[in-house]
Amino acid sequence: AQSVTQLDSQVPVFEEAPVELRCNYSSSVSVYLFWYVQYPNQGLQLLLKYLSGSTLVESINGFEAEFNKSQTSFHLRKPSVHISDTAEYFCAVTGGNTGFQKLVFGTGTRLLVSP
Amino acid sequence: SQTIHQWPATLVQPVGSPLSLECTVEGTSNPNLYWYRQAAGRGLQLLFYSVGIGQISSEVPQNLSASRPQDRQFILSSKKLLLSDSGFYLCAWSVWGQGDGYTFGSGTRLTVV
Repeated sequence: AQSVTQLDSQVPVFEEAPVELRCNYSSSVSVYLFWYVQYPNQGLQLLLKYLSGSTLVESINGFEAEFNKSQTSFHLRKPSVHISDTAEYFCAVTGGNTGFQKLVFGTGTRLLVSP
Repeated sequence: SQTIHQWPATLVQPVGSPLSLECTVEGTSNPNLYWYRQAAGRGLQLLFYSVGIGQISSEVPQNLSASRPQDRQFILSSKKLLLSDSGFYLCAWSVWGQGDGYTFGSGTRLTVV
């Protein structure tokens, strides 16, 4: 079955520093990949997605992620974080041997931005 | 535009009491519907999903059940709550094949006491 690994449960970082949140998935066949963000006591919001085409995808608030098929990774990056980026981030995948009916989520990474 | 409504936002229930959480979607037809649970400090666990009226797939054996009485309505229920049912419950919808992922509701914080 499809699986997603987010190795870092928590990432502390200072404001204006760069950050990378790591995500690896298990399937080597056709997949769609997503990053979601969750602020405290709220639902999940779609941050960005990879479906096909350019392997580098960007969000409107400065995050980007790169699809790397050979390494089965979809790491999330931001060159300079803000306090307001403090949240939990989930990587998710659909497709592969699971099919496209369900999203499989990683366990999440809590990003803690301090001044 | 499509919207998803989930209620109540918070709920405190005693052990052994029944549960009913409701989720409705507007602005789309024949969506796939999902119930997830997020326990404290843990990731998202898929509980149920539905691809059509009356069609429910259960992902994990548990004390909960789900029903889809209408195309855009998804209900999560329990006859007798356990302490371990506490958590943050999220409803989501998607349209198969469009690659847009899920749209999530705002969640229900359930505390069983």
